[in-house]
Amino acid sequence: DTAVSQTPKYLVTQMGNDKSIKCEQNLGHDTMYWYKQDSKKFLKIMFSYNNKELIINETVPNRFSPKSPDKAHLNLHINSLELGDSAVYFCASSQGLGRPNSYEQYFGPGTRLTVT
Amino acid sequence: AQTVTQSQPEMSVQEAETVTLSCTYDTSESDYYLFWYKQPPSRQMILVIRQEAYKQQNATENRFSVNFQKAAKSFSLKISDSQLGDAAMYFCASPDLTQGGSEKLVFGKGTKLTVNP
Repeated sequence: DTAVSQTPKYLVTQMGNDKSIKCEQNLGHDTMYWYKQDSKKFLKIMFSYNNKELIINETVPNRFSPKSPDKAHLNLHINSLELGDSAVYFCASSQGLGRPNSYEQYFGPGTRLTVT
Repeated sequence: AQTVTQSQPEMSVQEAETVTLSCTYDTSESDYYLFWYKQPPSRQMILVIRQEAYKQQNATENRFSVNFQKAAKSFSLKISDSQLGDAAMYFCASPDLTQGGSEKLVFGKGTKLTVNP
């Protein structure tokens, strides 16, 4: 069984379009994350949700909007896509705040977004 | 701001040999875990090994072990008997507590490991 899954794995779209990436985890974790990995492989956190509540919102353009319908799902919607949004986006999950080893994160397979 | 430094952008090793990847970190937390993640060409991020900072004993997972020096804030990864499948980007990660009290991981820039047959 896949622990953290993301759809789609690949996304090619044109500038100005709106797109969404979906993430689901079946680990029973409370906390979920979105990361962006740029072309130099640098991994940077974008957002984090704990039990459907936004707890981390790094400096990310307003065009990016996360949504967590329940604690097992975290989606990322991107409006008015730009060339610079091309990257790999990873979803991850962890046990949750204050839990033992709460920092240990499990990652999804990533979504490679290409904006043309 | 919390920083994690991996000073070796690239490393190479002969198959069956041993290689050590270095990492230094700068967390202000007193009790924490440290992690090494592996990212092969498939791009999946895979947890390789974790170290609990309050444990003096270095963590070991099969051919992977760490050399944890808490006072020096150093956390290196040793891969013994290197195999072709070990070729990947390796990321060191350290915890950071945000001003709002939220927990997050900070990742180093990665070390690309090549295994030569």
